[in-house]
Amino acid sequence: NAGVTQTPKFQVLKTGQSMTLQCAQDMNHEYMSWYRQDPGMGLRLIHYSVGAGITDQGEVPNGYNVSRSTTEDFPLRLLSAAPSQTSVYFCATLDWGANYGYTFGSGTRLTVV
Amino acid sequence: RKEVEQDPGPFNVPEGATVAFNCTYSNSASQSFFWYRQDCRKEPKLLMSVYSSGNEDGRFTAQLNRASQYISLLIRDSKLSDSATYLCVVGGGSTLGRLYFGRGTQLTVWP
Repeated sequence: NAGVTQTPKFQVLKTGQSMTLQCAQDMNHEYMSWYRQDPGMGLRLIHYSVGAGITDQGEVPNGYNVSRSTTEDFPLRLLSAAPSQTSVYFCATLDWGANYGYTFGSGTRLTVV
Repeated sequence: RKEVEQDPGPFNVPEGATVAFNCTYSNSASQSFFWYRQDCRKEPKLLMSVYSSGNEDGRFTAQLNRASQYISLLIRDSKLSDSATYLCVVGGGSTLGRLYFGRGTQLTVWP
């Protein structure tokens, strides 16, 4: 049981490039979400999904796209990277059951130059 | 006004000390409350959920005051390994599953 797996762990992009951050989970959790963490800002919700085929915007969705074709995967796409998107990105799933709570992936550190 | 407010610290305490963190939240409809711990350059990990009746897990005690919209975390007999950032997290309200994070309180326990 790997939990929540994020790839890559580190990435450097040039302004204007696109890329996809991967998130996979093997816990069969319906709810998945993407957060970014910036110094002094706390974690902010980018997008979330309550199940396959259903996604919605969070607090800071601009510049990011998501899709949820399967329960296991929830990729985050940066369409045209900007320096303001330099951040640490965390994927998280929610267990609605007896062990209610969020499980985070280990994060992706992204630098846009 | 931010959804969740925390004193950022830092708190620097000696081993064996008792330290308390406080947190306030703005949405009275919030339904779930947590404390997460985050080590440097790592992902947040659930420390404990916070229940209306208050709850204790070893050296850690969490309290919730819904009337004042206030959450606390008490750490007794601090260990060096308690050094981390503690995140106050509030969920529920109008969007089920949505979490709001405080900016975190940094704790350093020194020998």
